[in-house]
Amino acid sequence: GAVVSQHPSRVICKSGTSVKIECRSLDFQATTMFWYRQFPKQSLMLMATSNEGSKATYEQGVEKDKFLINHASLTLSTLTVTSAHPEDSSFYICSAAAGGRADTQYFGPGTRLTVL
Amino acid sequence: KQEVTQIPAALSVPEGENLVLNCSFTDSAIYNLQWFRQDPGKGLTSLLLIQSSQREQTSGRLNASLDKSSGRSTLYIAASQPGDSATYLCAGGAVLGGRTNAGKSTFGDGTTLTVKP
Repeated sequence: GAVVSQHPSRVICKSGTSVKIECRSLDFQATTMFWYRQFPKQSLMLMATSNEGSKATYEQGVEKDKFLINHASLTLSTLTVTSAHPEDSSFYICSAAAGGRADTQYFGPGTRLTVL
Repeated sequence: KQEVTQIPAALSVPEGENLVLNCSFTDSAIYNLQWFRQDPGKGLTSLLLIQSSQREQTSGRLNASLDKSSGRSTLYIAASQPGDSATYLCAGGAVLGGRTNAGKSTFGDGTTLTVKP
């Protein structure tokens, strides 16, 4: 149980295009989902916290207009990188937690984004 | 603000050796502490989770301990194997108020382990 999937696993795009990454909780309802970013040889940094049905809360320094997060259902959150640039190339990982009880975050496998 | 530190940043050991990876955190009000493994270019694999009310968890050759009072956690790997070579990350989970008790995690920078045959 407690499986989180991400799609796509890898994406290569041209500079200026937008890319959407999906995060799904497959066997549980996730009231809260988190999006992390990992640059090469660095650790994971939280980008934003997403609660179902409400606006995401972004960490300091993360542009909300560039990284659009939608958490429309209890099993799906999407991250859209708008007008991607090479510096956005990174490993994006989501995690999901069931609400109502203090819980563990279950992490997705990650999406590697390369912007040419 | 929670800060998580992992020492050492890199560790190389011969096969068969027992080893300890260290993780320290500044805010003792963590809800849980997780240890993850990450292979190069791959995602995270959860290894062990210790809830704040627990002191240790074991899975196979792995044992993780948690001492909230001192702000430390350790990951003990017994009889290391070349397949254990990876980066090991620890993450402290915080408690958020409001709508949900699920909190965000703060990650350390990881310890890159190399086990030589």
